[in-house]
Amino acid sequence: DIQMTQSPSSLSASVGDRVTITCRASQGINNYLAWFQQRPGKAPKSLIYDATSLQSGVPSKFSGSGSGTDFTLTISGLQPEDSATYYCQQYNIFPLTFGGGTRVEIK
Amino acid sequence: EVQLLESGGGLVPPGGSLRLSCAAFGFSFSNYAMSWVRQAPGKGLEWVSIIRDSGGDTAYADSVKGRFTISRDNSKNTLYLQMNSLRAEDTAIYYCVKGSGGTYPQSRNFDYWGQGTLVSVSS
Repeated sequence: DIQMTQSPSSLSASVGDRVTITCRASQGINNYLAWFQQRPGKAPKSLIYDATSLQSGVPSKFSGSGSGTDFTLTISGLQPEDSATYYCQQYNIFPLTFGGGTRVEIK
Repeated sequence: EVQLLESGGGLVPPGGSLRLSCAAFGFSFSNYAMSWVRQAPGKGLEWVSIIRDSGGDTAYADSVKGRFTISRDNSKNTLYLQMNSLRAEDTAIYYCVKGSGGTYPQSRNFDYWGQGTLVSVSS
């Protein structure tokens, strides 16, 4: 199975900050990498697919980068509503696997 | 507007069975692959199973293989998950998830999620 390792597991940042979350795959995934946001008590929401493409309706403050095995999610201009847990996921090979999540807290 | 409405969750004893349903609205259901993803209380996301647009191809996580069966009825725009031989570790919120296409890799790219249905396995 492909292991997805996210870092950090949690972070705290101020309103207006730019934050970066890292996701590393245990092997190459052809850039078939997605990012999801899950607010407390809510279902996940899709943000990014194919490592860098924004899902329809997602604000451009979210961006994805990376290739090969190393990927990042960047959130610009952090707002209170961005407080959530963020997950990466590879969809290159079965079983589809998720990272452990990164909890983003607003100071 | 895409909507995915799960139902069928509940409390079931170990070894019991349950069938989840997911009614889909707002898109051409028969053109898209569909998946189930679960989340144990306080834990992360775990992919469970996927079914192709036509229903011909399926795949499962090892943790549920041989116990769970995914199926779909394209005439009813409904996705199912039959869960047998349930264990305590199957306790989770089960999400119905839409793929962004019918074939690889879009079939595995999740674009819409339902609100989930809670399955609790306990005596």
